[in-house]
Order: sequence, then C-alpha cells, then structure tokens
Amino acid sequence: DVKVTQSSRYLVKRTGEKVFLECVQDMDHENMFWYRQDPGLGLRLIYFSYDVKMKEKGDIPEGYSVSREKKERFSLILESASTNQTSMYLCASTLGPSGSNEQFFGPGTRLTVL
Amino acid sequence: AQTVTQSQPEMSVQEAETVTLSCTYDTSESDYYLFWYKQPPSRQMILVIRQEAYKQQNATENRFSVNFQKAAKSFSLKISDSQLGDAAMYFCAYRSYGNQFYFGTGTSLTVIP
Repeated sequence: DVKVTQSSRYLVKRTGEKVFLECVQDMDHENMFWYRQDPGLGLRLIYFSYDVKMKEKGDIPEGYSVSREKKERFSLILESASTNQTSMYLCASTLGPSGSNEQFFGPGTRLTVL
Repeated sequence: AQTVTQSQPEMSVQEAETVTLSCTYDTSESDYYLFWYKQPPSRQMILVIRQEAYKQQNATENRFSVNFQKAAKSFSLKISDSQLGDAAMYFCAYRSYGNQFYFGTGTSLTVIP
C-alpha cells in the first residue's frame, strides 16, 4: 500500500514565523502535490512537483514556497506565516502524468497561525 | 483551467437507503478521467471510484456506482444500501493527461441511523 505521511497532524505557530510542512511518500511516485482545504472552498492547489527539484505553481501559490530535494519528500514552506494561512494542508502523490493514476493523500496538517 | 462543480454542500440519507451526489465539470478536452474521493472525519482522503471518459460503461465498485453523462459533463455518485461508515465529505475530481487534478468543493454526507 502507498503511504503518504505528513510531519504533524496539528501545528500552532505565531504570525511571522517560518513554517515547514513535510510530506514523505514511500512508493517512488513522481508527482507530489500540496493543497489547502477550507470549508466551502474544497481543495485548492498550492504547488506541485513532477520531478526532483522541479516545481509548478498551482492556483494559490502566494505566500508559499516548496522544496523537493529527494523524490520521496516534498516540503511546503510558509516564509512568514499569517493568520489567513490558518487551514488544513493536504499532501498527495501520484505515480506519473497518466490521467488514470489516482492521487494518494496524507492525513493532513491542521495549521493554526495566531 | 477546468472547473468542477458540486452543487450540494450537504446531503443526508437514511441507513440502508440510496443517495446520489451530483458533480458537473467544464472542459474542452475529450480524453480525461474523473474520480470520487471520500474524506471521513479522520481526514484521510481515499479513492472511491474512477471513470475513464472514453469508456461508455459506468464504473461500479461494490455499493458505489457512477452515472457518467459525457455530453452533459455530469458525473454523479450513487451509494446504495448506505452504511454509517459512508458518512464523510465526498469530493469529485477531474484529471486529464498531465499533472494537475481539479476538485469540487465537496458534499458532506450524513447517514441517519
């Protein structure tokens, strides 16, 4: 079974802090994604990566950056956390660009910025 | 960008009954894939069912089936014999060849004992 893990289930940070959210998958998937999930807005794509050191902006990249130094690990960085970044963050991975490949999700990180 | 619309923010169903969740999408592509994902209260999202657009036959997975209407760009999920464990948020998603998935805003399903 594919396993996608995220470093924290719950995280509380203060405004202006630099925040790192880590995601690791164990099935050699090429593509990895970061979403934020807010009530009534569904899942919105922040960034995705289709290969090591490659990244593409999603729909809401402002205020975020990402890093993918190794194939299995995809990090989301909030350079200076703000209260409007309080949200649930979901990481996902998929095998490749073929449209039939499903996404596998991590358990999510509930981030609160005070 | 493709858009996916789920017009029912909340639905409820009696245990053992059948419920249908709606999803429509907008695309100019002819070859794509559609998915329904389930997110139980524990928050781990899992795949429920997948449909290839080139297949006319509707996908079925046990109690879950879809009604795929390509011309109407409609992709509804039917849950038969609903169980308490079906209570969750359900997301419809679209993907064509490439990397990005597009998700709807979700439907929260309550199962009434």
